[in-house]
Amino acid sequence: GQNIDQPTEMTATEGAIVQINCTYQTSGFNGLFWYQQHAGEAPTFLSYNVLDGLEEKGRFSSFLSRSKGYSYLLLKELQMKDSASYLCAVRDGNYQLIWGAGTKLIIKP
Amino acid sequence: GAVVSQHPSRVICKSGTSVKIECRSLDFQATTMFWYRQFPKQSLMLMATSNEGSKATYEQGVEKDKFLINHASLTLSTLTVTSAHPEDSSFYICSAGWDTEAFFGQGTRLTVV
Repeated sequence: GQNIDQPTEMTATEGAIVQINCTYQTSGFNGLFWYQQHAGEAPTFLSYNVLDGLEEKGRFSSFLSRSKGYSYLLLKELQMKDSASYLCAVRDGNYQLIWGAGTKLIIKP
Repeated sequence: GAVVSQHPSRVICKSGTSVKIECRSLDFQATTMFWYRQFPKQSLMLMATSNEGSKATYEQGVEKDKFLINHASLTLSTLTVTSAHPEDSSFYICSAGWDTEAFFGQGTRLTVV
């Protein structure tokens, strides 16, 4: 079966750095997405990786290793507004998006 | 970036009635749109893939007669929850986009009383 694993919850301190990991097992691979979702709101797009390596976008970076079925989202200079759920999603061989359960990130002052 | 607009954002309806949710792509044409349902503290669950000009493709376990999808134009897809029951209360989200990015509507919080 297809599976995406990410930690349920993480806590970090304002100003610090946090890394959210995502491992996946899917039938085929056509890209990996990271989304941010605040409670009661729809997800917003953060990043897309289809080739191995690191994609940097401001305070957020995303890394992909296709051979290991692994990705991480790196958030730097954490701000209180970064408290949200972070969803990892993989597009499989049929171009279907498979979603992880999300990681709830709690930022403390 | 591209914008997907969903309406209404919140709706409360009585059990047994039907509710229609609209999803529009405002600045691009979407031949395919996706409808998701999300229960509290859970991830998105794909309900169906809406295809312009043809029938929607439903995921296993989703009742096509209960969740009617119409994708009559390249910018509009609608989801109608028919004969709604309290267990249908959930957060419904649509999305559209392209290979490298998917955009989501604002979501609709449906409460069936």
